[in-house]
Amino acid sequence: DTEVTQTPKHLVMGMTNKKSLKCEQHMGHRAMYWYKQKAKKPPELMFVYSYEKLSINESVPSRFSPECPNSSLLNLHLHALQPEDSALYLCASSQFMGVISSYEQYFGPGTRLTVT
Amino acid sequence: ELKVEQNPLFLSMQEGKNYTIYCNYSTTSDRLYWYRQDPGKSLESLFVLLSNGAVKQEGRLMASLDTKARLSTLHITAAVHDLSATYFCAVDLLKSGSARQLTFGSGTQLTVLP
Repeated sequence: DTEVTQTPKHLVMGMTNKKSLKCEQHMGHRAMYWYKQKAKKPPELMFVYSYEKLSINESVPSRFSPECPNSSLLNLHLHALQPEDSALYLCASSQFMGVISSYEQYFGPGTRLTVT
Repeated sequence: ELKVEQNPLFLSMQEGKNYTIYCNYSTTSDRLYWYRQDPGKSLESLFVLLSNGAVKQEGRLMASLDTKARLSTLHITAAVHDLSATYFCAVDLLKSGSARQLTFGSGTQLTVLP
């Protein structure tokens, strides 16, 4: 199973709403990532979790709150977002140190978020 | 700070023609990836290049890596319409502790015309 799943596929939320994005993988990967991608731009890294611990936060505003409850699951909690936060949110996972591999990141299908 | 420059940003080519997309990066790395993205879709992994001189081919696409020149190329041979998409290169660096980070190029939007 080389699949990363994300739910929901689409999300429309108001600026006062609280919502969550979910990402799941069952490849035994111990690194998981959140990216934000605006139209016609490359993905931008937001957060990296390594062994369920937050290891990189790319100065993301606190209205985005990541959570990694276990090695297979990654959540992104959203609160008080702005219209400019509308984007495609991509989750990815990869193997971790100690395994001789490419550390290739496998991407999920993404959640298309619209903030109204 | 790592910079990854891709060119061209836009490429229109006739079916049957050949062309090369270039990816330059500013910091030493021996891991580089090429991804394809169709409109509204996620990223599809095309090639994983792990060492200097690595060359990979799949169908009409061939990717290479020159770590000394900090350059990767994606060569398209006899383009067909199905290759129309946006192509990203991404450089892999050890960021902090043992966490790795991908930095993407700006992408090349390829349109193959009949």
